[in-house]
Amino acid sequence: QQQVRQSPQSLTVWEGETAILNCSYENSAFDYFPWYQQFPGEGPALLIAIRSVSDKKEDGRFTIFFNKREKKLSLHITDSQPGDSATYFCAASESTGYQNFYFGKGTSLTVIP
Amino acid sequence: DAGVTQTPRHEVAEKGQTIILKCEPVSGHNDLFWYRQTKIQGLELLSYFRSKSLMEDGGAFKDRFKAEMLNSSFSTLKIQPTEPKDSAVYLCASSFGGPSYEQYFGPGTRLTVL
Repeated sequence: QQQVRQSPQSLTVWEGETAILNCSYENSAFDYFPWYQQFPGEGPALLIAIRSVSDKKEDGRFTIFFNKREKKLSLHITDSQPGDSATYFCAASESTGYQNFYFGKGTSLTVIP
Repeated sequence: DAGVTQTPRHEVAEKGQTIILKCEPVSGHNDLFWYRQTKIQGLELLSYFRSKSLMEDGGAFKDRFKAEMLNSSFSTLKIQPTEPKDSAVYLCASSFGGPSYEQYFGPGTRLTVL
């Protein structure tokens, strides 16, 4: 069973638009949600993360919106740039026990100049 | 500071061969992870070590995949024997350990099994 789901699988936006990437999860015990960004030929790198006590986390052009009741979150990239073209992974973990992240399958974002 | 190092970056193997992938985690990190990445399945956890102790061995990957952590600064992933379906990118990641710590990923090893 896929613990973390992402949609859409791929997304294309024009430069300057807002890209919205969606994520949902199954386990109510998950309370930490990092988003990773991956460029071709590289490993994923942490972009931004949110804890379940918050409903919003902002870092520059990147904002996570979190809805605990619906077990959903989304990553908004405002003023999208061609350099944002990458694959974005949503992940989830519990803050108790050992650290085991569950990753979604990713959203491939293309930003057209 | 050096990040996670993985060698080789590319590996081509014949079906049935044994291959060993290597990983050097970030110095001072206590946790080490091996993942397999494919477009269809995404990131799949193969093994997880905490302070060199195996915490999770990836269930379905147990029969032909074996990860070892020989010391705190070096880990290997052995695939024996290789099959064409093992063609994927193998990623190593490390972290300080404990909940909510960032995982630092290496660049990966792209394995092609003919």
